[in-house]
Amino acid sequence: GAGVSQSPRYKVAKRGQDVALRCDPISGHVSLFWYQQALGQGPEFLTYFQNEAQLDKSGLPSDRFFAERPEGSVSTLKIQRTQQEDSAVYLCASSLEAGTGGCGYTFGSGTRLTVV
Amino acid sequence: QKEVEQNSGPLSVPEGAIASLNCTYSDRGSQSFFWYRQYSGKSPELIMSIYSNGDKEDGRFTAQLNKASQYVSLLIRDSQPSDSATYLCAVNPASGTYKYIFGTGTRLKVLA
Repeated sequence: GAGVSQSPRYKVAKRGQDVALRCDPISGHVSLFWYQQALGQGPEFLTYFQNEAQLDKSGLPSDRFFAERPEGSVSTLKIQRTQQEDSAVYLCASSLEAGTGGCGYTFGSGTRLTVV
Repeated sequence: QKEVEQNSGPLSVPEGAIASLNCTYSDRGSQSFFWYRQYSGKSPELIMSIYSNGDKEDGRFTAQLNKASQYVSLLIRDSQPSDSATYLCAVNPASGTYKYIFGTGTRLKVLA
């Protein structure tokens, strides 16, 4: 597709529920990133994939967060046993090159997660 | 000290004026700098990147970088109401890395 696609656009989850957020990167893009943006804050790094390899997951806030990209294209961010502090917009971005953020990357439209 | 700092605003300017948005960063080894515009309820949109000291112009936007002072700015000339948004400064903290560190953003309001 022309851009990074994320689904769903909005998700309301009851506290304790598991959720899965999907990201379709631009075709052929090697690098894929997940960021979390809380209300009134800038995006914060969660994790980075180079093809199917998760090279950095240092930003994942707890072991309830898990991300995968099994075939090096579509990625899923899964949050288990959601809590209210998980409420945020989850942004996905991809870039053509591997291992560098030097060119600026393009975000998808995001998934707004609200935990009630 | 936060790694990337911005004044949260709001910064209000009249239509047609120059809007000046500022950002400071703490990692002296930072190599790449970006400005993103984010409309309410939308995702951030890349509008400018800058890598070397000095000015970089693109249409009504000018990015300025001063690595010695660890300072990045964005000037918007002939501001329009459609420029009203939150502007996020992002820093790529070291050469060869992929993470961006974002500031909290400055909210700009252009008054018609």
